[in-house]
Amino acid sequence: EVHLVESGGGLAQPGRSLRLSCAASGFTFNTYAMHWVRQIPGKGLEWVSGISWNSGSVAYADSVKGRFTISRDNAKNSLYLQMDILRPEDTALYYCAKDKDASGWNNFDYWGQGTLVTVSS
Amino acid sequence: NFLLTQPHSVSESPGKTVTISCTRNSGSIVSNFVQWYQQRPGSSPTTVIYEDKQRPSGVPDRFSGSIDSSSNSASLTISGLKTEDEADYYCQSYDSGNNGVVFGGGTKLTVL
Repeated sequence: EVHLVESGGGLAQPGRSLRLSCAASGFTFNTYAMHWVRQIPGKGLEWVSGISWNSGSVAYADSVKGRFTISRDNAKNSLYLQMDILRPEDTALYYCAKDKDASGWNNFDYWGQGTLVTVSS
Repeated sequence: NFLLTQPHSVSESPGKTVTISCTRNSGSIVSNFVQWYQQRPGSSPTTVIYEDKQRPSGVPDRFSGSIDSSSNSASLTISGLKTEDEADYYCQSYDSGNNGVVFGGGTKLTVL
């Protein structure tokens, strides 16, 4: 059974940093692309970033480009999101999601439960 | 870049059929696959349709997806509505122009 467990969320001041992690199990992690998707409570879904199976292709939403960095460690079955220069509008529930494919973003077939990030002074 | 526009909300009675639209504002809807996700309150999204019209195992055949190139839109149709179908539904597609992913704004389905 596929499990995705996010961690690392919490309260951060504007301009500071947070690092999110996603521990994956139940599938061959190193053969699928992975993503971060966020959701402001009560609002819609926003794709944040994606990374191919071998880290050869990464992409970001314009809203986070230059501030967030996605990475993965296939040896540890883990996905990461380094969030720098945080803004209040980054406040959201951050989901880790598995892609159906190895590269080329397609269907997010499994999602974690999310980790809440709050950016406030 | 493009937008996917969905109705904010729809409602229908149990046993009836409802269709939720997802209209792409630029570029062709057939350029990239469309997915549909269901999100019940307090839960993470789950896929109900992928690659325009494919249904994951475990999703009942009451759920179907289609593409209409004339209106440049995708549709999710749910027949034989059940109260358990009450949820938010999001369409999603790949944006090859910037290697990104676009979600529609979501549609709240009420079954009453």
